[in-house]
Amino acid sequence: NAGVTQTPKFQVLKTGQSMTLQCAQDMNHNSMYWYRQDPGMGLRLIYYSASEGTTDKGEVPNGYNVSRLNKREFSLRLESAAPSQTSVYFCASRSAGVANEQFFGPGTRLTVL
Amino acid sequence: QKEVEQNSGPLSVPEGAIASLNCTYSDRGSQSFFWYRQYSGKSPELIMSIYSNGDKEDGRFTAQLNKASQYVSLLIRDSQPSDSATYLCAVNFPNAGNNRKLIWGLGTSLAVNP
Repeated sequence: NAGVTQTPKFQVLKTGQSMTLQCAQDMNHNSMYWYRQDPGMGLRLIYYSASEGTTDKGEVPNGYNVSRLNKREFSLRLESAAPSQTSVYFCASRSAGVANEQFFGPGTRLTVL
Repeated sequence: QKEVEQNSGPLSVPEGAIASLNCTYSDRGSQSFFWYRQYSGKSPELIMSIYSNGDKEDGRFTAQLNKASQYVSLLIRDSQPSDSATYLCAVNFPNAGNNRKLIWGLGTSLAVNP
């Protein structure tokens, strides 16, 4: 099993450009998450999807959109990138039931100039 | 009051010593607690989960939970230089929403010196 995979690993954008970050998991998890991590700010939840076909905002959703394409895939889109979106982005998926453990992908390091 | 608090460190211990990492949380109703390790430039990796009061041991790692005092700790015995990383505490806040989102601490940086 590959676990959680993310593409791309690195990306540089100019202000105003758009891009989509891809995430896929092969653990048959229902829930998936997008986080950003910034120095001194910790992990902050952008959007999550409790199941295929549903998405909900987290604590920092402005400037982002998501699509839960199917059970495996959850993408994050930046429609008009801003320098404030320079960050490391992590996708995660969660096991069901009592365990409630989240497993992370390797991350995407995004720089917006 | 921050929801999940950790001492940012850095915590420096000699090789072979016990490293003790602490985390406090604000929601008395929390039921699930997790410790993640994050190496520089890498993603968080789950190392321990604990759900009941008391100790849970896994190899050199022991998680300790005290719900009455609202703290959870992680002990690393026989610390190795490879344990040098940032350790993140995460707590499931039951009132955070239907999706049972995790609330994250900012992490404690651990340095194990040879």
